[in-house]
Amino acid sequence: GESVGLHLPTLSVQEGDNSIINCAYSNSASDYFIWYKQESGKGPQFIIDIRSNMDKRQGQRVTVLLNKTVKHLSLQIAATQPGDSAVYFCAEYLYSGGGADGLTFGKGTHLIIQP
Amino acid sequence: NAGVTQTPKFQVLKTGQSMTLQCAQDMNHNSMYWYRQDPGMGLRLIYYSASEGTTDKGEVPNGYNVSRLNKREFSLRLESAAPSQTSVYFCASSAIRGGELFFGEGSRLTVL
Repeated sequence: GESVGLHLPTLSVQEGDNSIINCAYSNSASDYFIWYKQESGKGPQFIIDIRSNMDKRQGQRVTVLLNKTVKHLSLQIAATQPGDSAVYFCAEYLYSGGGADGLTFGKGTHLIIQP
Repeated sequence: NAGVTQTPKFQVLKTGQSMTLQCAQDMNHNSMYWYRQDPGMGLRLIYYSASEGTTDKGEVPNGYNVSRLNKREFSLRLESAAPSQTSVYFCASSAIRGGELFFGEGSRLTVL
């Protein structure tokens, strides 16, 4: 079946630097993408989303880029802070009449912030 | 504002025992979901309920049953627990099908 994956399981960055977390998806028909942040012992939290008719969306310190040509999604975090340490998941959703519903999640990237 | 509440937070079972995980949301969301999270596997959808009165299988439904008790509550039942069901279980809800998911804090289940 289709799946969403991530390029790196762990990413280590210096505090204050920008972080880029990548995600490759295989279903070119996916309509909607979300980035989630999961801190240790907690449930995933929504960060930012993007529809397939867009290629960029910005939030507070975060930007999501969608490249449908190569089926690639990235999350950019500006001026990384210690509180950004977490596992980040990308997820995709395909609006269709049948099949399993719900978002399909990638395996996650663990972002580590070095002081 | 509680959001999505799951109980219990921790549970240890012996193989063959049964239990029910409870989930309630106070956001008046139509859709509710149960996911399991295993190390290195991300989150996998077990069952979902697109609206009150309906339930459907997700990616990994075997060994589980669900009940959408009302709009607020969606429970997950393990009839005969197996060690392979050791995992962290997350309940989630969304206002619309395929929309942003709001997650609970998780229920950590260990089956011995």
